[in-house]
Amino acid sequence: DTAVSQTPKYLVTQMGNDKSIKCEQNLGHDTMYWYKQDSKKFLKIMFSYNNKELIINETVPNRFSPKSPDKAHLNLHINSLELGDSAVYFCASSPHWDGELFFGEGSRLTVL
Amino acid sequence: GQQLNQSPQSMFIQEGEDVSMNCTSSSIFNTWLWYKQDPGEGPVLLIALYKAGELTSNGRLTAQFGITRKDSFLNISASIPSDVGIYFCAVPVNRDDKIIFGKGTRLHILP
Repeated sequence: DTAVSQTPKYLVTQMGNDKSIKCEQNLGHDTMYWYKQDSKKFLKIMFSYNNKELIINETVPNRFSPKSPDKAHLNLHINSLELGDSAVYFCASSPHWDGELFFGEGSRLTVL
Repeated sequence: GQQLNQSPQSMFIQEGEDVSMNCTSSSIFNTWLWYKQDPGEGPVLLIALYKAGELTSNGRLTAQFGITRKDSFLNISASIPSDVGIYFCAVPVNRDDKIIFGKGTRLHILP
């Protein structure tokens, strides 16, 4: 069983479209995250949720809206996609705050 | 904002060589972490350091938490092909579930 799973793994879409990426973890962790990895491989935190509550919103444009229906799921919806949104988006979960993140395999988004 | 300066940015080495990389910051942290990312995968935690001066090993990997709490080092001994990847240092910030990453050290092994 995959611990942190993301779908889809690849997503190719046109500018202006709306798309969603789903994430599920079966580790029983309370905290989940979204990170963005750009073409230079820099990892930047976007959001974190603790037990369905938004904890961190790292100055991400309003077009990005995370949703956590329960503590095992954290989805990312992106409206009006732009070219600069092309990146690999990683979901992660953590059992506690001190940094042991468990990452999914990533979702590569390409905006044309 | 807080920033981690990781060096070198890239390394090209021969199989069997030892590798050293480091991460520095102008801020003090109470935890230092080292992750590795294989191509096409998410990062995986290698070593976590919780005490200044701590030296921790994980197989051929050894990491140290600097005494000043502003830096950390990762060494890999006798590199093998599967060591190829990107190594990231990371720190938790302000106990608010925020973990920030350095820009990574890309390790390449020459054939």
